[in-house]
Amino acid sequence: AQKVTQAQTEISVVEKEDVTLDCVYETRDTTYYLFWYKQPPSGELVFLIRRNSFDEQNEISGRYSWNFQKSTSSFNFTITASQVVDSAVYFCALSEDYTGANSKLTFGKGITLSVRP
Amino acid sequence: DAGVTQSPTHLIKTRGQQVTLRCSPKSGHDTVSWYQQALGQGPQFIFQYYEEEERQRGNFPDRFSGHQFPNYSSELNVNALLLGDSALYLCASANLDRGPDNEQFFGPGTRLTVL
Repeated sequence: AQKVTQAQTEISVVEKEDVTLDCVYETRDTTYYLFWYKQPPSGELVFLIRRNSFDEQNEISGRYSWNFQKSTSSFNFTITASQVVDSAVYFCALSEDYTGANSKLTFGKGITLSVRP
Repeated sequence: DAGVTQSPTHLIKTRGQQVTLRCSPKSGHDTVSWYQQALGQGPQFIFQYYEEEERQRGNFPDRFSGHQFPNYSSELNVNALLLGDSALYLCASANLDRGPDNEQFFGPGTRLTVL
């Protein structure tokens, strides 16, 4: 069975600090997809990034960066120079292989990030 | 280009009643998934519809049923409501025909309260 663990539950930082959100996953599939979603207080899940299991290249997009390591089954997310608008709940999610990124998503419990001015 | 829309925004029901939630997918999308998100938890997959048929189902009882219409919109029906059904119900859409390398887009959700 698939499982996503987000051990951190709440993180509080001061604006402009860097913050890393951890995600560890379990799957028996050899091909799978990993995601990060952001959920602001409005409730709508906002897609941030998708990675498939063949693509371990880490990426930087503006203030966001991701570190995917298959050897440790981790897919961590870093926000550089955090801002108050980054305050939200962040979810890591895993998708099965055979139907690809459109299929059932297994979510972690989420990490509540609070960025103080 | 409208994103995923859901109605109603909020709903209050009593135990034992039945409820229907509605979802319109993003333009160009043909697949709709439903998720239940209890307070303080991550979303849990209920089921997915494609070509008007249930394609995948999560671990939810038969009280939860759905439907997809020819215009790709979808309904989620829950019968014999329990207090534990109180949650945010999220709809997500995607385009299966584009292949596996694309993502699901989520709607704003319907907040269901069962009293």
